[in-house]
Amino acid sequence: QKEVEQNSGPLSVPEGAIASLNCTYSDRGSQSFFWYRQYSGKSPELIMSIYSNGDKEDGRFTAQLNKASQYVSLLIRDSQPSDSATYLCAVNLFSGGYNKLIFGAGTRLAVHP
Amino acid sequence: EPEVTQTPSHQVTQMGQEVILRCVPISNHLYFYWYRQILGQKVEFLVSFYNNEISEKSEIFDDQFSVERPDGSNFTLKIRSTKLEDSAMYFCASRTGGPPSEQYFGPGTRLTVT
Repeated sequence: QKEVEQNSGPLSVPEGAIASLNCTYSDRGSQSFFWYRQYSGKSPELIMSIYSNGDKEDGRFTAQLNKASQYVSLLIRDSQPSDSATYLCAVNLFSGGYNKLIFGAGTRLAVHP
Repeated sequence: EPEVTQTPSHQVTQMGQEVILRCVPISNHLYFYWYRQILGQKVEFLVSFYNNEISEKSEIFDDQFSVERPDGSNFTLKIRSTKLEDSAMYFCASRTGGPPSEQYFGPGTRLTVT
């Protein structure tokens, strides 16, 4: 059974701080990794993708990947109250030429003013 | 910006009834997916669809479920005889044919089975 694990939180940070979200995955053959943001009652919204070891930055977001440790993280700089949501880590299982996403349970982030 | 759309946003049905959930994927995308999320639980993969056929399905996707692309734009999920445990949010997603492999999700249909 392929698993993606996340700390459920809540992770509470003050406005302007850095929020650090972590994820581990079990399938060593996974190649693609994604962070989705999900507001309550809404659908997952893609915010970052990462395919290679190292860091990838996009605005206030930085994704980090370490395939040897099977670890993905998301840093949110200058956190805003509007960042309060559940952050889903998703791993792309590539099988037979097709892809499916395996999601973690999500980490709930609360940014307080 | 192109987006995945889904209808209806909320469907209430009685146990044993058939429901059809509809999706319009992003127009140049080639791979289509259905996921579901039971309240308070993880997003779970149901089925992937490519070139007018199912490419992979999960254990959840049993004989009560079917998918179809009846025309060039719509992608549907049918549940033949709904059960109480089918109550969930159902999300359609799509992606392009090659890398990158990002999947984009529609707003979802909330299915309530009574």
